[in-house]
Amino acid sequence: DTGVSQDPRHKITKRGQNVTFRCDPISEHNRLYWYRQTLGQGPEFLTYFQNEAQLEKSRLLSDRFSAERPKGSFSTLEIQRTEQGDSAMYLCASSLAVTGDEKLFFGSGTQLSVL
Amino acid sequence: GESVGLHLPTLSVQEGDNSIINCAYSNSASDYFIWYKQESGKGPQFIIDIRSNMDKRQGQRVTVLLNKTVKHLSLQIAATQPGDSAVYFCAEKGQAGTALIFGKGTTLSVSS
Repeated sequence: DTGVSQDPRHKITKRGQNVTFRCDPISEHNRLYWYRQTLGQGPEFLTYFQNEAQLEKSRLLSDRFSAERPKGSFSTLEIQRTEQGDSAMYLCASSLAVTGDEKLFFGSGTQLSVL
Repeated sequence: GESVGLHLPTLSVQEGDNSIINCAYSNSASDYFIWYKQESGKGPQFIIDIRSNMDKRQGQRVTVLLNKTVKHLSLQIAATQPGDSAVYFCAEKGQAGTALIFGKGTTLSVSS
């Protein structure tokens, strides 16, 4: 257990529905990342926050995706009007942004299935 | 563009053997590299990392080698155990403030 928790672990939804995932990072970590992983592939970067500021978004992050970290602690990732291609594992990671220590600690992910 | 790739998608070894997992990267500006292990149904777990000012770093049963001349990274696991069976990913980080970019992974299978 890395200390990063994600909820829910699994989500099944119908195409067109909205879904929201939550991530609680390690408490002293100021950076929080969202990645997406499909079967057989490495994690793909989506976006990251430093404290409450969203500093970078991937081109993969379509307009249907939105992420927030309102108080610089937990984060939510919402997908609107889900499509079957959104089916994937959504991983959250956190890190302590200090010089010399850049490793990310990942949660166990939320597995999304869009029917 | 930035990309990180693996030479082999799968590697099968016998328990007790040493394993070597390879990774090629394309961004010569990357200054930080990291290996993760991912077991089924779990998130990636940190194994070892290395900065570009080093060419070797050792951990417990693991060694990472970095060859910047040919942009190659490898992970060596000594005395491989069945519990080492997992998918291994290398990842790189190009510049301060950007995220880790992952390769496709190598599945390591250890038979006893």
